[in-house]
Amino acid sequence: QSVLTQPPSVSAAPGQKITISCSGSNSNIGVNLVSWYQHLPGTAPKLLIFDTNKRPSGIPDRLSGSKSGTSATLGITGLQTGDEAHYYCGTWDNGLRAVVFGGGTKLTVL
Amino acid sequence: EVQLLESGGGLVQPGGSLRLSCEASGFTFRDYAMTWVRQAPGKGLEWVSEISDSGGRTYDADSVKGRFTISRDNSKNTMYLQMNSLRVEDTALYYCAKGVRRVLAQAFDIWGQGTMVTVSS
Repeated sequence: QSVLTQPPSVSAAPGQKITISCSGSNSNIGVNLVSWYQHLPGTAPKLLIFDTNKRPSGIPDRLSGSKSGTSATLGITGLQTGDEAHYYCGTWDNGLRAVVFGGGTKLTVL
Repeated sequence: EVQLLESGGGLVQPGGSLRLSCEASGFTFRDYAMTWVRQAPGKGLEWVSEISDSGGRTYDADSVKGRFTISRDNSKNTMYLQMNSLRVEDTALYYCAKGVRRVLAQAFDIWGQGTMVTVSS
C-alpha cells in the first residue's frame, strides 16, 4: 500500500479536462514539495511538474499542479489521445526519510 | 544530449549480488543528486535510493536497507547500485534518474530507459 493515495483510474473524452488527486499527510505532502510524472510502462518516466506547481521546459501550460494541505492535484486540460499513460505523484516523507510515490493513476482518453 | 544509460541488470539467483551502473552525459553530473527507482512487473514506481551531489549523503528505502548500497564516481560521471542478498521481490526494471537539486532533490527530471533485474532460481 502506497504512502500517497491516488485514484486507480480516470477517463475523459478528448478536449476535456481532468484532475488527478494525490492524498498524503503532514509528514509528506503537507510540508514538502510535490512532483508529478507521466509513465508508459517500459519507457522512461517523464517529469511533468516539480516543486508542486512548476513545469519543466517543454511541458505545455495545459498541465498544472497545485496543493492544499495534505493533498496535491494534477490538472490536464485539452485532453489528447497522446495523454493516455500512468501518472504518479511523488514527494519526500520526513518521517520515513524516503521519497514516496503514489500508486499511480491510469488515464484513459476515450 | 542529456542522457542516462543504465547497465548491469540480468538474471541472478536469490541471495546473489549484482551491481548496476548509470552513466550520465550532457550535464554537469557532480552538481546534482541522483536516484534509483524501480518498477516491479505490474506494479507502480518504487523509490530505492538517492545520493547527494558529492556522495556524502545517501538515503535508502526500508525495503533495501542493509542490502543495497548507492554510490557515485563524479570523475567518471557514473552512479552505482550494489545489490546484495537479492530476493525474488527485488525483480524489477531499475531506472536511474537525475535530481533537480544537489541534495534531497524531491523531483527527477532526466530518466534512463532502465535495466531489468530478475531474481529467480
